Amino acid sequence: TQLLEQSPQFLSIQEGENLTVYCNSSSVFSSLQWYRQEPGEGPVLLVTVVTGGEVKKLKRLTFQFGDARKDSSLHITAAQPGDTGLYLCAGARPGTYKYIFGTGTRLKVLA
Amino acid sequence: DTGVSQNPRHKITKRGQNVTFRCDPISEHNRLYWYRQTLGQGPEFLTYFQNEAQLEKSRLLSDRFSAERPKGSFSTLEIQRTEQGDSAMYLCASSLGSAGVNEQFFGPGTRLTVL
Repeated sequence: TQLLEQSPQFLSIQEGENLTVYCNSSSVFSSLQWYRQEPGEGPVLLVTVVTGGEVKKLKRLTFQFGDARKDSSLHITAAQPGDTGLYLCAGARPGTYKYIFGTGTRLKVLA
Repeated sequence: DTGVSQNPRHKITKRGQNVTFRCDPISEHNRLYWYRQTLGQGPEFLTYFQNEAQLEKSRLLSDRFSAERPKGSFSTLEIQRTEQGDSAMYLCASSLGSAGVNEQFFGPGTRLTVL
């Protein structure tokens, strides 16, 4: 059972465009993390959100945790070719330290 | 300390052989995780340790899989009698394990190909 669904699965955009990636679940998470992964490498942590409604910004990336802590979004402003990669969300259920990963969004930014 | 390291980075083996992978976590981290990732998918949880204790195992971890962390530092993941379906990237992650946010940091992975 996949607890975290990401959409879209694939996204190909031109440099300079904006985009939003969604991570949705019917389950509540105590914390949610976003990662970017490049081919042949391990995921690299971008951000952790823990409070419902929380918004965090990392340069051109804006992360939001849903009020009910069941969903999250990642918004990228003015995408650049260096943003290309697989974006993964991962959530920890309350009372556990086990992380469930989403299905992933593969982003390609064309110059 | 430069981060989580994994060895080997690549392993090619024949079906039926045993393989062992090693993970060295960030030195002060007491939680260590193993995941498996197949092409185009997100990582799937296999197991995790707090210090030397293995606290949870996924049902994905069949009897052919065993993980150890004998001294609470490095960990090994062994797969016995490998099958072609075991071909995947095996990822290790570690976290500080303090109260509150539990941020995981991943190693580069070991890519296993079973012929």
